[in-house]
Amino acid sequence: QSALTQPRSVSGSPGQSVTISCTGTSSDVGGYNYVSWYQQHPGKAPKLMIYDVSKRPSGVPDRFSGSKSGNTASLTISGLQAEDEADYYCCSYAGSSDVVFGGGTKLTVL
Amino acid sequence: QVQLQESGPGLVKPSETLSLTCAVSGYSISSGYYWGWIRQPPGKGLEWIGSIYHSGSTYYNPSLKSRVTISVDTSKNQFSLKLSSVTAADTAVYYCARLHPGGGFDYWGQGTLVTVSS
Repeated sequence: QSALTQPRSVSGSPGQSVTISCTGTSSDVGGYNYVSWYQQHPGKAPKLMIYDVSKRPSGVPDRFSGSKSGNTASLTISGLQAEDEADYYCCSYAGSSDVVFGGGTKLTVL
Repeated sequence: QVQLQESGPGLVKPSETLSLTCAVSGYSISSGYYWGWIRQPPGKGLEWIGSIYHSGSTYYNPSLKSRVTISVDTSKNQFSLKLSSVTAADTAVYYCARLHPGGGFDYWGQGTLVTVSS
């Protein structure tokens, strides 16, 4: 069970869109539609932003969207805002009730 | 509103056993859902430790399986983590969380820092 692969950092200007990728294998990301994404601000607990690849929990702005193609899932944030600056983690079901996280991506809003 | 709160020693000696408890309020564990433990070493990413169903079925990260025990006490509405033979590499913020059926952890505790040091 290896960690999912995410870029270490991404950046964008306010109002722009950014996409964070999350690459796994056919045993996790590619094998199930159970990918979730988390936002984590410094010193805070992670917050669920996307689940089941593309569903948003109540209260999460529709600027956040998720998708998947093959073994790679993506989180897109449109209309970037300063408060979106945070670390983002993907997570996937990996079979046999196992769960695997990505290494995390630091989003900088320029 | 579902709330989770971790508790336990903040300092554990090497080779000893780390023990944490997660108290759940606003939802009865016996009603369902999986419940999990996740940790985050200082400055690093998230690592799933394991999950437990309200019935007591457990699932562990293969890399930690030999040292981890997760249990549930429905009468107290809480679940617990034990990690044996700890080393400095186990120093981390430990979170408990509820696992949504879709695989996402939808409610999290605030986290508790556990330092392994003599």
